[in-house]
Parts: sequence; C-alpha cells; structure tokens
Amino acid sequence: AQSVTQLGSHVSVSEGALVLLRCNYSSSVPPYLFWYVQYPNQGLQLLLKYTSAATLVKGINGFEAEFKKSETSFHLTKPSAHMSDAAEYFCAVSDYLFKGAQKLVFGQGTRLTINP
Amino acid sequence: GAGVSQSPSNKVTEKGKDVELRCDPISGHTALYWYRQSLGQGLEFLIYFQGNSAPDKSGLPSDRFSAERTGGSVSTLTIQRTQQEDSAVYLCASSFGPGLDEKLFFGSGTQLSVL
Repeated sequence: AQSVTQLGSHVSVSEGALVLLRCNYSSSVPPYLFWYVQYPNQGLQLLLKYTSAATLVKGINGFEAEFKKSETSFHLTKPSAHMSDAAEYFCAVSDYLFKGAQKLVFGQGTRLTINP
Repeated sequence: GAGVSQSPSNKVTEKGKDVELRCDPISGHTALYWYRQSLGQGLEFLIYFQGNSAPDKSGLPSDRFSAERTGGSVSTLTIQRTQQEDSAVYLCASSFGPGLDEKLFFGSGTQLSVL
C-alpha cells in the first residue's frame, strides 16, 4: 500500500523567504501525487497534482512541486512566502480502491507559519 | 450550492449518544468520500461512495460507524453510541468520478466533540 511521510510537522519562515515543505512517498506503482492546503476552519483545497506528465508541476498561489522518482520525493516550494500562505499543507498519494476508484493517503500535514 | 456543504459545522454530544453528520456534494459529482481528521492522526479515509453504492467500507473504524447515500447525492455518516475517541473533524469530499488523478473538493467539515 502507498504511504506518505511529511518531514516537519511545523515550518516557520519569514515573509519573502523561500518555502520548502518536504514530502516522501512509497508506492509500488507509478504514483499520482497531490498537495492540498487547509486554511483555518476551511476544507482542503487542491494546490497541485502530479500525474506522470511534467516532473515540475506548477500550482496555484505561486507554489510548485518537483517529482523525483530516484528520491521518491515530491517537495513543495514557493520562492517568496506571503503572510496569506500560513496554513496546513498535506501531501497525498493516490491509492487504489475497489473498481479503480481513488483513495487518497495523506501525510500527517505540515503547519506553515509566516513571520513578518 | 457551489461547493461541498456539511452540516452541522459543530456538534457537541454526550458519550453514548448517536449522531448524524450530513454531506451535500457538488451537483453532478458521482464519487463521495468521508475522511476523519484527528489531532495527531492526520487524515484517515473512512468510506467511499460511487453513486449510492459503497464498494469499500474497510476504513470505518468500528461497527458503530455507518454511512449511506441516497439519490446519488446527499450522504449521512452515523455514529452510534459515541465514544470520546470519536472526537474529530469529519470531512466530506466529492469528485466527478472515480479516477486516480481526480481532484477532490472538500467541505469545511463537522467538528464533533464527545464529552
């Protein structure tokens, strides 16, 4: 079964600094990988997804992630942090359900804090 | 509505009581998912519906948990004889259909507190 590990439950960066949120996965088949963001008191929103096309995936709000098969990683980055980026970020891998449906397996989440 | 709607947004109940959590998916979405978000546990898959059928119920933590979906739309998650360990945020998500690269649209969740 697939699994996801997010390194660092809390990450704190200064406004304008680089954001790097780490995600490693294990998968027995070519994975579909996702980053979701959860703002306070809201549901999860899709930031970006990797589906075996380009290895560098661009998402919303200036975020991007690079799929590295050799490292089994899918780290999320943003060149310059903004105060509005403060949220919890979840990396997820798609697992197989009966009849080919999707079951997302999530990492534990990383809470991103932006310091003024 | 434009998004996935869940009700109630907050529910406080006493241990041993039954609760029902409701999810209204986006119109036209055939796939519906329930997840549980607990402190320190991350997001845990509970159950998946395709139409009104639930092909996989293996994520339900005990037989106190059940779910149904009617008319290919609204879903209800029922927890009987609630326990304190059931306290969590219950998230519902929907998508256009099964598919490993499908984007899930999440509701804001129901915060369940069992006293």
